[in-house]
Amino acid sequence: RKEVEQDPGPFNVPEGATVAFNCTYSNSASQSFFWYRQDCRKEPKLLMSVYSSGNEDGRFTAQLNRASQYISLLIRDSKLSDSATYLCVVNSNYGGATNKLIFGTGTLLAVQP
Amino acid sequence: EAQVTQNPRYLITVTGKKLTVTCSQNMNHEYMSWYRQDPGLGLRQIYYSMNVEVTDKGDVPEGYKVSRKEKRNFPLILESPSPNQTSLYFCASSLNYNQPQHFGDGTRLSIL
Repeated sequence: RKEVEQDPGPFNVPEGATVAFNCTYSNSASQSFFWYRQDCRKEPKLLMSVYSSGNEDGRFTAQLNRASQYISLLIRDSKLSDSATYLCVVNSNYGGATNKLIFGTGTLLAVQP
Repeated sequence: EAQVTQNPRYLITVTGKKLTVTCSQNMNHEYMSWYRQDPGLGLRQIYYSMNVEVTDKGDVPEGYKVSRKEKRNFPLILESPSPNQTSLYFCASSLNYNQPQHFGDGTRLSIL
């Protein structure tokens, strides 16, 4: 089983739609969680950190469920400019000073006009 | 401007010819990391560094070396490159290991 798993998509949605991505992680000792956005052949850019209480930034809402070991990203009122690959990132502690950032393989979102 | 700078951006070279990809950050970040990105495999961590003179292996360290002699620089060294190291490489940095990472623009390496 992969340490971080995402549905690869693609998710093809019309403009204005609401779309949700889920990501599961296997290491219960994981400490921090992020969603990144990556445009084709460009560097990943931080979309938002994910906090235990859930957090919102405009049209984007992130949630964490530690008991079930998954995080989610909800995008409301999709725009054409939201088309990108969304990466789930988990920072896991493997004992002592060993910390690893594990990236999911990403979910491709295509917003259609 | 806060940034992570990688050089070169593109490189085509031949098997066995040693190469170094430089990475520099101007944000006084403690944590730095190298990744490679391949189709279908996503981003995989090669090496990371928690601070000066502290480096550790990521998930795919074979064939790579790094050093962290000063805080701002974290070069990636391929002593004897092979075709399976053809990939898109990203350097990233963050304040510490629990903070979000800032990525460089990427280096596209082709090993023939």
